[in-house]
Amino acid sequence: QQQVKQSPQSLIVQKGGISIINCAYENTAFDYFPWYQQFPGKGPALLIAIRPDVSEKKEGRFTISFNKSAKQFSLHIMDSQPGDSATYFCAASYYGQNFVFGPGTRLSVLP
Amino acid sequence: DVKVTQSSRYLVKRTGEKVFLECVQDMDHENMFWYRQDPGLGLRLIYFSYDVKMKEKGDIPEGYSVSREKKERFSLILESASTNQTSMYLCASSDRGPQETQYFGPGTRLLVL
Repeated sequence: QQQVKQSPQSLIVQKGGISIINCAYENTAFDYFPWYQQFPGKGPALLIAIRPDVSEKKEGRFTISFNKSAKQFSLHIMDSQPGDSATYFCAASYYGQNFVFGPGTRLSVLP
Repeated sequence: DVKVTQSSRYLVKRTGEKVFLECVQDMDHENMFWYRQDPGLGLRLIYFSYDVKMKEKGDIPEGYSVSREKKERFSLILESASTNQTSMYLCASSDRGPQETQYFGPGTRLLVL
């Protein structure tokens, strides 16, 4: 019920390509779905987040697609750049108190 | 912008020492959290607090305690550090309510010798 599954575990993409990371949740009580980006030796930084009543949210090259009926959401990084190389975590939260994180995806963008 | 600060970026301690990790947030957030992050294990919740002087155990509280005397400050205490507590420690805060999310500090990398 509390788990968030994330795939793939690692991803290698050529510069300019599209990176896609998928997550799935079980608990329908979650009310917010953020994505975090983490560089080595740094804390995770909030990248983009979506509410469950919205099917898509775009900020620059980053887009979240949300499928409420399937209980799945995904992060798309368009025109991927070497500077996007980082670990990405999806998460699901309820009322700002109950947070569940995916295990993370290590993205490498080749120049 | 939300700012979460942690007292140290790097710490080296000896086995058996008492260790204090401090976290301060400047956004008047109700909730504060301590995680540890280890390769291959993701983020694991140690303790969280949803109000001053309140604390709740997370998934891995053994060997740790916490203190929240003021709303903006949340301390993690290792009563007697052990080598298996060598890790990256992350503090986070969030507001209470729907569609609220966590904001993380830069992390403290602790090495216990």
